[in-house]
Amino acid sequence: QVQLVESGGGVVQPGESLRLSCEASGFTFSKYNMNWVRQAPGKGLEWVAFMRYDGNNKYYADSVQGRFTISKDNSKNTLYLQMNSLKTEDTAVYYCAKDPAVAAYSGSFDIWGQGTMVTVSS
Amino acid sequence: EIVLTQSPATLSASPGERATLSCRASQSVSINLAWYQQKRGQAPRLLIYGASTRATGIPARFSGSGSGTEFTLSISSLQSEDFAVYYCQQYNNWPRTFGQGTTVEIK
Repeated sequence: QVQLVESGGGVVQPGESLRLSCEASGFTFSKYNMNWVRQAPGKGLEWVAFMRYDGNNKYYADSVQGRFTISKDNSKNTLYLQMNSLKTEDTAVYYCAKDPAVAAYSGSFDIWGQGTMVTVSS
Repeated sequence: EIVLTQSPATLSASPGERATLSCRASQSVSINLAWYQQKRGQAPRLLIYGASTRATGIPARFSGSGSGTEFTLSISSLQSEDFAVYYCQQYNNWPRTFGQGTTVEIK
């Protein structure tokens, strides 16, 4: 079945780095746009980053622009989020989420992973 | 950035009742709006996209309407499994944005 599984979360200190992974299965990963969405404890959802299926376009939330980098490895069916210069306000559950359109833009998120927790604390 | 304002913040209702949730956008998003349901400890689930199209496997008691800046999610007859938090999301502009959520709780 279609599935996304995140990993790589953990506890880090402010200023440190972390790389999240999202392994996809059950669909042709190389043909779908992918996103990262986060949710701080007890708060709502915040879109973080987008990558077009072919890697030609990337967008970021202002809150992470210049610190986070989204990438993908189609040979491994895996999406990544490299997070540098982490701040306490980056503490959240990070979800990867798939766009439903094949090789096109939709913009909604039809499949979500279970999430991985990132805690930034001194 | 497009701001989405959901109302009410909390809706208290009984099983079998109809629930109506609202989402207002700070500028037009056409019909590029989605609704999600999130239960405690779970990832969100897509309910509606294109303002009114139900996602795969979503029961017919869920319906969406609206365009431009005013949108509504209706649940015709609340079931026990529908008590959750609901979010709207626009994908007309970058950055993608979500509303702050409406909690549907048992009265």
